[in-house]
Amino acid sequence: GAVVSQHPSRVICKSGTSVKIECRSLDFQATTMFWYRQFPKQSLMLMATSNEGSKATYEQGVEKDKFLINHASLTLSTLTVTSAHPEDSSFYICSASVSVLRNSPLHFGNGTRLTVT
Amino acid sequence: QKEVEQNSGPLSVPEGAIASLNCTYSDRGSQSFFWYRQYSGKSPELIMFIYSNGDKEDGRFTAQLNKASQYVSLLIRDSQPSDSATYLCAVKGYSSASKIIFGSGTRLSIRP
Repeated sequence: GAVVSQHPSRVICKSGTSVKIECRSLDFQATTMFWYRQFPKQSLMLMATSNEGSKATYEQGVEKDKFLINHASLTLSTLTVTSAHPEDSSFYICSASVSVLRNSPLHFGNGTRLTVT
Repeated sequence: QKEVEQNSGPLSVPEGAIASLNCTYSDRGSQSFFWYRQYSGKSPELIMFIYSNGDKEDGRFTAQLNKASQYVSLLIRDSQPSDSATYLCAVKGYSSASKIIFGSGTRLSIRP
């Protein structure tokens, strides 16, 4: 159980275009999902917390107008990187918990490797 | 001071030996502790979680927690080359709304 599916796994786009990444919880409902970014040889950095039916909560330094998050259902959150630039090239990973209980661990999707040319 | 600290490594351990990975955290109110394994180019996968002081064993893995010292560790017995990966320590606060904070990870290399 606790499967999180992320799509696409890899995307290459041209500078200035937008890219949408989907994150689905396959066998559970997730009122909250988390979006992380990881640059090479660095740790996971939380970008934003996606809340079903309400606005996402962004971490300090993350531009909400650039990284659009939509959490329209209990099993789907999307991250859209708008007007992508080469510096946005990174590994984007979504995650969710099965339960809102404080001890519930995060389960991660397989990640999306974004390359902006 | 980082909230969750790990030695970046690389930690090199011979095959069959015990690998010991350590993590310290700054928030004394932290309640939940997780170890994730991340292979190069892949997303993290959960190995173990621990909430109470002491040891918790699962197969070749043992997590150890000492809240007084704000220290959590992961022992891997009978290390295998397939254990070579980066191990991430993650810590969560008391409330259900608390974010999970990750350490920067320790790179483990098991040499045959």
